[in-house]
Amino acid sequence: QVQLVQSGAEVQKPGASVKVSCKASGYPFTNFAIHWVRQAPGQRLEWMGWINAGNGDTKYSQRFQGRVTITRDTSASTVDMGLSSLRSEDTALYYCAREGTMGGFDFWGLGTLVTVSS
Amino acid sequence: DIQMTQSPSTLSASVGDRVTITCRASQTLGSWLAWYQQKPGKAPNLLIYQASGRESGVPSRFSGSGYGTEFTLTISSLQPDDFATYFCQHYHTYPWTFGQGTKVEIK
Repeated sequence: QVQLVQSGAEVQKPGASVKVSCKASGYPFTNFAIHWVRQAPGQRLEWMGWINAGNGDTKYSQRFQGRVTITRDTSASTVDMGLSSLRSEDTALYYCAREGTMGGFDFWGLGTLVTVSS
Repeated sequence: DIQMTQSPSTLSASVGDRVTITCRASQTLGSWLAWYQQKPGKAPNLLIYQASGRESGVPSRFSGSGYGTEFTLTISSLQPDDFATYFCQHYHTYPWTFGQGTKVEIK
């Protein structure tokens, strides 16, 4: 069965960077795009960017341009999301999600809580 | 960015009720819209893609409709498992954006 397993919770100081991993299994990894979506407390879901797991092409939201990097390792079926220059507003639950063939996100990870606090 | 506005923000209903949630977009989306259900502490679950396509495994009481800028999610007969928060999301142009959510509560 399709699974997206995310790395564990992180606590970082303002100005630091964080990397969240998402390991995919149960399907041909290179056939599907992986997106990152975050949910801050009391806020709506926010799309951050995506990677074509086949060729590595990426697209990022302008809100995170320059701070977010999404990479993939096809040998490990893993997608990493790095976010730099962290601020308190980046405290959120970060999800990886697979883009379905008909659109929308058909499978999601359980989320990784990133807390930014001094 | 395309703004997505859902109404109502909260809805109180009883088991067996017909429930309709609306999602309006600030620009035309064609049919590039999805609906999700989210329960506390869980990731969202895809219900509807391309405005009206029901995801595999989703009960037939869930249906989606609409085109352009106005879309609806309908639950034909609300079940106890359906009390949750529902989100719309467009995937027309980047950045993809979400509605603020509609919480369906027990009346």
